[in-house]
Amino acid sequence: DIQMTQSPSSLSASVGDRVTITCRASQSISSYLNWYQQKPGKAPKLLIYAASSLQSGVPSRFSGSGSGTDFTLTISSLQPEDFATYYCQQSYSTPDSFGQGTKLEIK
Amino acid sequence: EVQLVESGGGLVQPGGSLRLSCAASGFTFSSYEMNWVRQAPGKGLEWVSYISSSGSTIYYADSVKGRFTISRDNAKNSLYLQMNSLRAEDTAVYYCARTFLYGSGSWTHDAFDIWGQGTMVTVSS
Repeated sequence: DIQMTQSPSSLSASVGDRVTITCRASQSISSYLNWYQQKPGKAPKLLIYAASSLQSGVPSRFSGSGSGTDFTLTISSLQPEDFATYYCQQSYSTPDSFGQGTKLEIK
Repeated sequence: EVQLVESGGGLVQPGGSLRLSCAASGFTFSSYEMNWVRQAPGKGLEWVSYISSSGSTIYYADSVKGRFTISRDNAKNSLYLQMNSLRAEDTAVYYCARTFLYGSGSWTHDAFDIWGQGTMVTVSS
């Protein structure tokens, strides 16, 4: 099974900051990497699929990059509603697997 | 409105059974592959099971294989998860999630684009 590792596990930032979250796969997954945002008590929301494709309705301040084993999610200018937990997920092979999450908190 | 609504969660004793349901609306349910994903309290997301649009192809996580059964009724726009021999470590919020396919041909891969609100399953004596 493919293991996904996110860093950092938690991050403090301020409104307006540029933030980057990293996800590493235990083997190459090409570009089959998705990113989700989850707020407390809510279901996850798909932000980015195929490493860099923005899901419909997601603000353009979110972007993704990477291929192979190393990927990043970048938020260009943090907004108050962006404080949440973010998960990466590989869909290269079954079972789909998620990273452990990165909690983004207000500084 | 595209929507998934789970039901059937609750408190069950170790070794017991529970059947979760997921009602779909606002889209052609029979055209979509579906999944169950769970999240233990304070923990991350864990994919549990997948079923193809026709129900002919099914996958399970090793942690539930042989104990859980996924099924669907396209006439009723519903997805199910039959959970038997439940353990304390199965305690989690269970989400149903719709598969969003991207790519083409043999390089078609998936993401989960629509999620239900989740239903809590607690396994405890």
